[in-house]
Amino acid sequence: QLVLTQSPSASASLGASVKLTCTLSSGHSDYAIAWHQQQPEKGPQYLMKVNSDGSHSKGDGIPDRFSGSSSGAERYLTISSLQSEDEADYYCQTWGSGIQVFGGGTKLTVL
Amino acid sequence: QVQLVQSGAEVKKPGASVKVSCKASDYTFTDYGISWVRQAPGQGLEWMGWISAYTGNTNSAHKVQGRVTMTTDTSTSTAYMELRSLRSDDTAVYFCARDEVYAPAGIEYWGQGTLVTVSS
Repeated sequence: QLVLTQSPSASASLGASVKLTCTLSSGHSDYAIAWHQQQPEKGPQYLMKVNSDGSHSKGDGIPDRFSGSSSGAERYLTISSLQSEDEADYYCQTWGSGIQVFGGGTKLTVL
Repeated sequence: QVQLVQSGAEVKKPGASVKVSCKASDYTFTDYGISWVRQAPGQGLEWMGWISAYTGNTNSAHKVQGRVTMTTDTSTSTAYMELRSLRSDDTAVYFCARDEVYAPAGIEYWGQGTLVTVSS
């Protein structure tokens, strides 16, 4: 079964970097994923797609501070030079066999 | 700039139906599909289903299969999602999102969301 696992919460200081993790279920380690950001009281916004080889392609207007990478079944979203507006929920998403699947989301707090 | 503009908030009674629209602009509608995603209050994102704007093929999540109908009107570049036999746990914000044309395979643009409240 295709499942994505995310830690419920993360925190980092203003100006620092943070790396969020999304883990693919067994047997799906070669799947690409997408990352979406949802700021408080707003709809989601697509950030980027991350492939199994670590290559990534970002959405329109996404700052260079956001980057993606991969290792095995894990997909990462790294945010550098954290700003207050980065405080948000971050969801990973993947697809296969005619369905889409979302991870449970990580709530990022900027201290 | 790709835009997906959804219809306004709805309040429905249990057992009723709701139909949400999603009007697309600034891209060729039939080159893509539309996925529908919902978010219950304080919860995460839940994929509901997908429709190809080119072929009309649909896939839906097991949880809503049999209660959801997705359609498109290519003359107006509008997608619709109808959910029947509403229950209180269908209360959520419903989003449309642009997806791939031949299968659900990645979302890059989102609508602004439509709040559907189910209450007696």
